[in-house]
Amino acid sequence: GQSLEQPSEVTAVEGAIVQINCTYQTSGFYGLSWYQQHDGGAPTFLSYNALDGLEETGRFSSFLSRSDSYGYLLLQELQMKDSASYFCAVYNFNKFYFGSGTKLNVKP
Amino acid sequence: GAGVSQSPSNKVTEKGKDVELRCDPISGHTALYWYRQRLGQGLEFLIYFQGNSAPDKSGLPSDRFSAERTGESVSTLTIQRTQQEDSAVYLCASSLERGPTDTQYFGPGTRLTVL
Repeated sequence: GQSLEQPSEVTAVEGAIVQINCTYQTSGFYGLSWYQQHDGGAPTFLSYNALDGLEETGRFSSFLSRSDSYGYLLLQELQMKDSASYFCAVYNFNKFYFGSGTKLNVKP
Repeated sequence: GAGVSQSPSNKVTEKGKDVELRCDPISGHTALYWYRQRLGQGLEFLIYFQGNSAPDKSGLPSDRFSAERTGESVSTLTIQRTQQEDSAVYLCASSLERGPTDTQYFGPGTRLTVL
């Protein structure tokens, strides 16, 4: 089967850097995706890593280590609007499996 | 339309009633997914459509759940004889093609409450 583990909640202050970790177990692996979901909103795509290493998109970066079955999302220069839930997801057998999400609370 | 739309946005029903949820994907997107999200939980895969291929129904929790899609257009998710544990937000997503690199675009969801 597939399983993904993320911390349930993280709190950080505005302007800081925060890292949200994701470890996964899957029988097959193509890549790790990250989605953001604001309260009451729809998930939106942030990033995708198929290969080991760091992918940077503006203030957000995502890292993957296939050998460790581990990835993380790095958010820099935190803003209040970054307060949301963040989900990691793996793709296998035609479907995406999502973690239970990490709620990020950004405080002033 | 620029994005995925879903209707209704909210649905309150009584236990035992049937409900039908609708999803309009982005035009041209061949892949369509349905997910269930319980309060404070992650997304639970329900069913996946790819073009005219047979759907992957492996995530449907019981035979009370069914879904249809006509070609590459609208999809409906039907829940028969609703139970209180069916209360959740039902999200639909579409992507240009099937595959891990293809971004899923989510609709706003239908919040289902079973009394």
